[in-house]
Amino acid sequence: AQRVTQPEKLLSVFKGAPVELKCNYSYSGSPELFWYVQYSRQRLQLLLRHISRESIKGFTADLNKGETSFHLKKPFAQEEDSAMYYCALSRNAGNMLTFGGGTRLMVKP
Amino acid sequence: EAEVAQSPRYKITEKSQAVAFWCDPISGHATLYWYRQILGQGPELLVQFQDESVVDDSQLPKDRFSAERLKGVDSTLKIQPAELGDSAMYLCASSLVTGLSTDTQYFGPGTRLTVL
Repeated sequence: AQRVTQPEKLLSVFKGAPVELKCNYSYSGSPELFWYVQYSRQRLQLLLRHISRESIKGFTADLNKGETSFHLKKPFAQEEDSAMYYCALSRNAGNMLTFGGGTRLMVKP
Repeated sequence: EAEVAQSPRYKITEKSQAVAFWCDPISGHATLYWYRQILGQGPELLVQFQDESVVDDSQLPKDRFSAERLKGVDSTLKIQPAELGDSAMYLCASSLVTGLSTDTQYFGPGTRLTVL
């Protein structure tokens, strides 16, 4: 069975500091990984997906199949990055997502 | 900009009562998902529809939960009877097609259920 683990419930950094939100997964097939974000009083929304290899709002994430990780990184955190971040895995076809438990990022001024 | 709609936003009920949640996906989206999110956890998929057909309901507690999407548009999730452990946020999402993990899921605001 697939599993997504986000080891940190809360990550607190100062503005301008680098950020890394950890995500580890277990899955026997070829995974597709995503990061979703939920800002205060807003809906859950897609931030980025690994197959796009894109940078969104300064965030990047690299799929490391050897370490089964998909960590989210940003070199310089901004206060507006404060939010809940969820790592998710899509299993096989059908776009069925398995979410991690989430990490709350707090960026202090 | 089109959004997924859900109602009610909040629901308080007593255990053993029946509750129902409604979801209206983005127009034209063939795939609809219901998730349950317990406080402090990530969303857990309960059921996925492709048009009016169930694609996956393996995580739906079928003894008390039911979901339908009769005309392949809006959907209703029902719990009967509700139990204390059902207290959670119930999220609906939709996407344009299924079978493509590249297809973005768009989430509604959720219905927060409290069972007393």
